[in-house]
Amino acid sequence: DTAVSQTPKYLVTQMGNDKSIKCEQNLGHDTMYWYKQDSKKFLKIMFSYNNKELIINETVPNRFSPKSPDKAHLNLHINSLELGDSAVYFCASSLRPNSPLHFGNGTRLTVT
Amino acid sequence: EDKVVQSPLSLVVHEGDTVTLNCSYEVTNFRSLLWYKQEKKAPTFLFMLTSSGIEKKSGRLSSILDKKELFSILNITATQTGDSAVYLCAAHTNSNSGYALNFGKGTSLLVTP
Repeated sequence: DTAVSQTPKYLVTQMGNDKSIKCEQNLGHDTMYWYKQDSKKFLKIMFSYNNKELIINETVPNRFSPKSPDKAHLNLHINSLELGDSAVYFCASSLRPNSPLHFGNGTRLTVT
Repeated sequence: EDKVVQSPLSLVVHEGDTVTLNCSYEVTNFRSLLWYKQEKKAPTFLFMLTSSGIEKKSGRLSSILDKKELFSILNITATQTGDSAVYLCAAHTNSNSGYALNFGKGTSLLVTP
């Protein structure tokens, strides 16, 4: 069973579109995250949710909005996609905010 | 601004060699230092270090933290081609905004037969 699963694996879309990436974890963890990995492989945090409350929101454009229907899910919705949004987006979870993160396999987003 | 710097950025070695990967950090409210291995997909957790001078070991991999010098190393002995990957170092910090994991840019390791 996959511990942290995200869908889709690949997403190709045009500028201006709105898209969502889904993430689910079956580890019973309290905290979930979204990270963006750019073309230089640099992983940068976007959001984290602890018990459905946003606890970190780095300087991410408000076109990006995380949505957590329950503790096991943290989806990422992106409005008005731009070329610079092309990257691999990783979902992750941790037992507690100070525990190691477990990552999903990533969603490669390409904006044309 | 929090900063995590890894060196070297890339490394090519022969099977059987021993490698040392470096990670230095300058962050506020430091809590722990983590190492991850990333092959084609998800980063996978290797070690979490919270105390200075205590080596953590898993098979041929080991790591140690120096909180005075703000430095950690990851050693891999008797390297194998399966060790080829990007190794990521991350500093766990805690601020008013909560915990954050700040990653370095990684060391790309290639082990040749």
